[in-house]
Amino acid sequence: QITLKESGPTLVKPTQTLTLTCTFSGFSLSSIGVGVGWIRQPPGKALEWLAVIYWDDDKRYSPSLKSRLTITKDTSKNQVVLTMTNMDPVDTANYYCAHSTATYDQFDIVVAVVATLFDSWGQGTLVTVSS
Amino acid sequence: EIVLTQSPGTLSLSPGERATLSCRASQSVSSNYLAWYQQKPGQAPRLLIYGASSRATGIPDRFSGSGSGTDFTLTISRLEPEDFAVYYCQQYGRSPFTFGPGTKVDVK
Repeated sequence: QITLKESGPTLVKPTQTLTLTCTFSGFSLSSIGVGVGWIRQPPGKALEWLAVIYWDDDKRYSPSLKSRLTITKDTSKNQVVLTMTNMDPVDTANYYCAHSTATYDQFDIVVAVVATLFDSWGQGTLVTVSS
Repeated sequence: EIVLTQSPGTLSLSPGERATLSCRASQSVSSNYLAWYQQKPGQAPRLLIYGASSRATGIPDRFSGSGSGTDFTLTISRLEPEDFAVYYCQQYGRSPFTFGPGTKVDVK
């Protein structure tokens, strides 16, 4: 059974850096085809994908937030960490981490991800940005 | 970036009725890498459909997905009380992995 849980501060001040941790069980982030992503949702609004990290340490970021985001993994601890710099009140949202199943093509030793499905989600954590 | 548009914004129906939700993409979704999620208040999204038409594990067969290219549909054949929620489509074949704005299905 796959489970994920987000942790981190519930309140951050404008201009501060947010660090969120996703702790998971039921899968290994060293297995081919596996990834963990982050998605956020401002209260009452739609979902917004932020970033994903894959088993081979490849990473993808939302272009609109790329300069502010860093995603890393610690496979031994079953954790993925997302940092977001220069927080603003518009970044107030529920932040979710999710297990992803990647579809990939393999050419000899080269692996290319062609799709990333977010199939199991954590419960989310509400982060408020306010002074 | 692929922009997804969902219609209608709100669908007011009664239990037992059929619900038809639309998702339109600004450009073709590669290999129909289109997913549908259900979200209830205070809960995380739940994957319903992937690959435009494949049901995720444990999803009842009253949920079905169809479509290709730029036009996709989620159909709920007979609404159960627990189906009243917000539904999002997402394309997951090309980064950034964009979501639609959602369709709320509420009780008429």
